[in-house]
Amino acid sequence: AQSVTQLGSHVSVSEGALVLLRCNYSSSVPPYLFWYVQYPNQGLQLLLKYTSAATLVKGINGFEAEFKKSETSFHLTKPSAHMSDAAEYFCAVSRMDSNYQLIWGAGTKLIIKP
Amino acid sequence: DAGVIQSPRHEVTEMGQEVTLRCKPISGHDYLFWYRQTMMRGLELLIYFNNNVPIDDSGMPEDRFSAKMPNASFSTLKIQPSEPRDSAVYFCASSSWRADSNQPQHFGDGTRLSIL
Repeated sequence: AQSVTQLGSHVSVSEGALVLLRCNYSSSVPPYLFWYVQYPNQGLQLLLKYTSAATLVKGINGFEAEFKKSETSFHLTKPSAHMSDAAEYFCAVSRMDSNYQLIWGAGTKLIIKP
Repeated sequence: DAGVIQSPRHEVTEMGQEVTLRCKPISGHDYLFWYRQTMMRGLELLIYFNNNVPIDDSGMPEDRFSAKMPNASFSTLKIQPSEPRDSAVYFCASSSWRADSNQPQHFGDGTRLSIL
């Protein structure tokens, strides 16, 4: 069965430091890939999505993600963390048998230290 | 454009009562999803509709849960009777499908349900 693994339920970085949130997926063919962000007491908001046009995808709020087929990874990065980035981040992969359904990672809570 | 609209935002009720959650998807979207989010189980897909027709309800926890989509602009998720373990945040999401691109799901702000 397809799966999505997000390494680390919590990641803590200092303000201004690099943010790296890891996502690995299991799929025999390149799927559709998404990162969502959830701020407290809000719904999930699309951060970025992978299209086959480019392996490096830029999203909102300065985030980007790189698709690496050989590693089956889609890690999320941001060069310099801001206090407002504190939120929970979810990686999602489209199902092979129906690309409108998503398989969700467990989420990573990003904590920003002043 | 208006996003996905859910109501109520918060619901507190006593065990045994009927609970109805409402969702208005984005106009033109032909897929609608109901999710439940808890600390223990994360984000779970309960049911989804395509063109107002339920396609997969295998995620619905038990017969106490039911969902309807009487038209393209409205869906309900009902719990009857409610139990404390149903306490969670319930999200509605909608999307449109295109064969040649990956259309994301758009989420509402959720309904925070507390069953006492």
